[in-house]
Parts: sequence; C-alpha cells; structure tokens
Amino acid sequence: GAVVSQHPSRVICKSGTSVKIECRSLDFQATTMFWYRQFPKKSLMLMATSNEGSKATYEQGVEKDKFLINHASLTLSTLTVTSAHPEDSSFYICSATGDLNTGELFFGEGSRLTVL
Amino acid sequence: AQSVAQPEDQVNVAEGNPLTVKCTYSVSGNPYLFWYVQYPNRGLQFLLKYITGDNLVKGSYGFEAEFNKSQTSFHLKKPSALVSDSALYFCAVRFSMDSNYQLIWGAGTKLIIKP
Repeated sequence: GAVVSQHPSRVICKSGTSVKIECRSLDFQATTMFWYRQFPKKSLMLMATSNEGSKATYEQGVEKDKFLINHASLTLSTLTVTSAHPEDSSFYICSATGDLNTGELFFGEGSRLTVL
Repeated sequence: AQSVAQPEDQVNVAEGNPLTVKCTYSVSGNPYLFWYVQYPNRGLQFLLKYITGDNLVKGSYGFEAEFNKSQTSFHLKKPSALVSDSALYFCAVRFSMDSNYQLIWGAGTKLIIKP
C-alpha cells in the first residue's frame, strides 16, 4: 500500500511556542490530505481537509488561526500548532487519499504533542 | 444523517476463540466500507474494505468482514484470535458519490485478547 510519513513522532514544547508537523506521501501524489486529532478516549476528530494549492477546509469548532495548515505540494502538507497551550496536547494524525476511486485513506504514524 | 456506529466500547476475547467487532452504518446510496486497526501510539493501518462484489471480504492478518445490506452492518471477524490482535479497531464508511473523499468514522472498539 501507499506510504505516508509523518514527522516528528513525538514533540514536547513549552507553552506559547509553535510546533510544525509534517505529513508526506512518499510514493504517490496526494491532492487531498486530512488532519485528525485523537483524544485520550480514542475517538478521531477530523480537524481539516487539506487541498494542494488551496486553503484548507476546517471543521466546525477548529480554530484556523491556531491550527495552520499548508499543502504547498502534492506530497507535503504541514500542520502548525501556533502558540501552543497544554490543552493542545494530543495525538495528531494525518492521512492521504491514495485511491481516488474508493477514498481509501493511508495514514501517517501520528505525532504525540505534549505542551508543558 | 450519515453515521457509523460501533456499539461496543470494548470487546474481550480469549485467545483462540472467534472474535467479532460490530459496525453498523447509515448512509445514503451505496456505501464504501472500511476497517482500520490502530496499535498504541501508532497511526491507523488499513485492514480491509468493501466496495462492491462479494459480500464477504478478506483482509490483512486473517480478518474478514461481511457486508450485510439489509442489516446495514459490516462486522469484523476472525476465526481464532491472537493476543497480538489486541488493538483499537475503527469502522469507517463513505458515500460512494461523495467527491470529498471524507470518511465517516465509528468511535472505535478496543479489542482485548487474553491468553
């Protein structure tokens, strides 16, 4: 299957700093990528849909100024958590559509963000 | 409204016994159905999918799922559970004509296989 690489896998930062998470499709072009946040009770929350060359579409309740998404190329999308606070601590997962016929998603390994 | 339900928060099975993780859905039109597995602190891995054709779909690691249109279900099954199957399992569905490729996710079921 297609490979999606996500980096960093773990990051610890101080409150008030910004953190960038990268999501790369390694062996296919991804015009659409999705960013999820996973809460401790396991549920996945779709944060935004990232489209190459255009602005991301954010889900209701997700602050676009806090979670900046850039999809500058067909193989790279980035999520920047700006002015991070402890409540932003979470597991963030990106995914890309590998099969445009079925919508099957390929996932990155996730990034564990801890804000002190 | 389109939705996916995984009615069990957790399923406990003894090693060697058959396992079932339930999923039901409500979606307009023809559904595309998926199962993903997540191991601790990892991303999600694709297990299997139903798009069309045979209702019984076989996937990775010996898992299979049966699409039941009348019951709008897509339960995940395995004849003999392994301890290594312990993980979090997500069911997802997509309406076939949805051009956004967004999946609708179930809440996840934690599967615990006891030796």
